[in-house]
Amino acid sequence: GQSLEQPSEVTAVEGAIVQINCTYQTSGFYGLSWYQQHDGGAPTFLSYNALDGLEETGRFSSFLSRSDSYGYLLLQELQMKDSASYFCAVIRDDKIIFGKGTRLHILP
Amino acid sequence: NAGVTQTPKFQVLKTGQSMTLQCAQDMNHNSMYWYRQDPGMGLRLIYYSASEGTTDKGEVPNGYNVSRLNKREFSLRLESAAPSQTSVYFCASSEGGAAGEETQYFGPGTRLLVL
Repeated sequence: GQSLEQPSEVTAVEGAIVQINCTYQTSGFYGLSWYQQHDGGAPTFLSYNALDGLEETGRFSSFLSRSDSYGYLLLQELQMKDSASYFCAVIRDDKIIFGKGTRLHILP
Repeated sequence: NAGVTQTPKFQVLKTGQSMTLQCAQDMNHNSMYWYRQDPGMGLRLIYYSASEGTTDKGEVPNGYNVSRLNKREFSLRLESAAPSQTSVYFCASSEGGAAGEETQYFGPGTRLLVL
């Protein structure tokens, strides 16, 4: 199967830390990517994990555990501009399969 | 360097009409993709082209055709539009290198309404 599971919505407070989880079931798995999409905009690439462990890019970090078929996106020092939808995506062969997205709401 | 461009930005069609969505990229990428995005459904792959001259079906190809005109351009055609094809359509491209090392760059999208 190629299903991905991520929460539909998450709410956090400005300045806080939030974690968005993603579990996947797929054969031929190569890696896990994360994309951000603001309302009315196009998805933009955030991070990619092919190996187990944590990848850090500024305030955003992404983690992968291949043995658990699980990953997460960690957003630190949340800002109002981080309000968006976040998609995990598994890379399989020449294609990417996207999850349904997590809508992140940030409260002041 | 415009990245990925799409035309038109908006379109309203009547059921049964046909149209072609255009996509072009100026990053010399090998791979190009067409997705549709519906509320609560995430992005679903319609067709993709791993390299110039090749096209393959994605998850939801029915009702669509594609043409990889050259390395830069990848068009999506709706031969007989149906209300179920009301959606936002995104074109994307990637370098198309080693499998798994893929960052996709998306165009701004085309919002299509079929009445």
